[in-house]
Amino acid sequence: AQKITQTQPGMFVQEKEAVTLDCTYDTSDPSYGLFWYKQPSSGEMIFLIYQGSYDQQNATEGRYSLNFQKARKSANLVISASQLGDSAMYFCAMREGGYSTLTFGKGTMLLVSP
Amino acid sequence: EAGVAQSPRYKIIEKRQSVAFWCNPISGHATLYWYQQILGQGPKLLIQFQNNGVVDDSQLPKDRFSAERLKGVDSTLKIQPAKLEDSAVYLCASSLFSGNEQFFGPGTRLTVL
Repeated sequence: AQKITQTQPGMFVQEKEAVTLDCTYDTSDPSYGLFWYKQPSSGEMIFLIYQGSYDQQNATEGRYSLNFQKARKSANLVISASQLGDSAMYFCAMREGGYSTLTFGKGTMLLVSP
Repeated sequence: EAGVAQSPRYKIIEKRQSVAFWCNPISGHATLYWYQQILGQGPKLLIQFQNNGVVDDSQLPKDRFSAERLKGVDSTLKIQPAKLEDSAVYLCASSLFSGNEQFFGPGTRLTVL
């Protein structure tokens, strides 16, 4: 079974609008962490936001917030006020238990239009 | 603070040839990772080092891939001989300790003809 599922191959949004990128995960470990990375065309993976399984509140970092629904095993990324520079691939990843290995989803391509 | 450095950025080789990639992690980072990212997929871990010891190489195709991290700083990843299916971006990442946030380098795009 896929540990990280990103069902949206591509998303389009207009500048200044908000967009939600979906991510569901599968683990039986009660301790885990969820990450979102941005990968622009230059290729570098840029860390955006982190949510721990025991965190009581949803994580926020500037224009990025993580909609964490533990019972549904979902960790959607919300980008508010989209900018042209947000156009990139976005990857959801999970780290389980005490392991540092990240398991990545297949990614979602976000295109922001003027 | 300098980021993770990788070279070369691009490499084109023919199948059955050898190739090596180099990574210099962020200064002081004990943990170093090599990932393979095939087009249209997320990165897949190949090998993880803690200082100069291997922590996880369960997904490394050991018949053709090798990696080392001498002195616990720089690392090299080698493919010998290369196959067509090795065409991918090879990403190096480092973290202060195992379990901390990982910082990625720009990657090396390998094309095997």
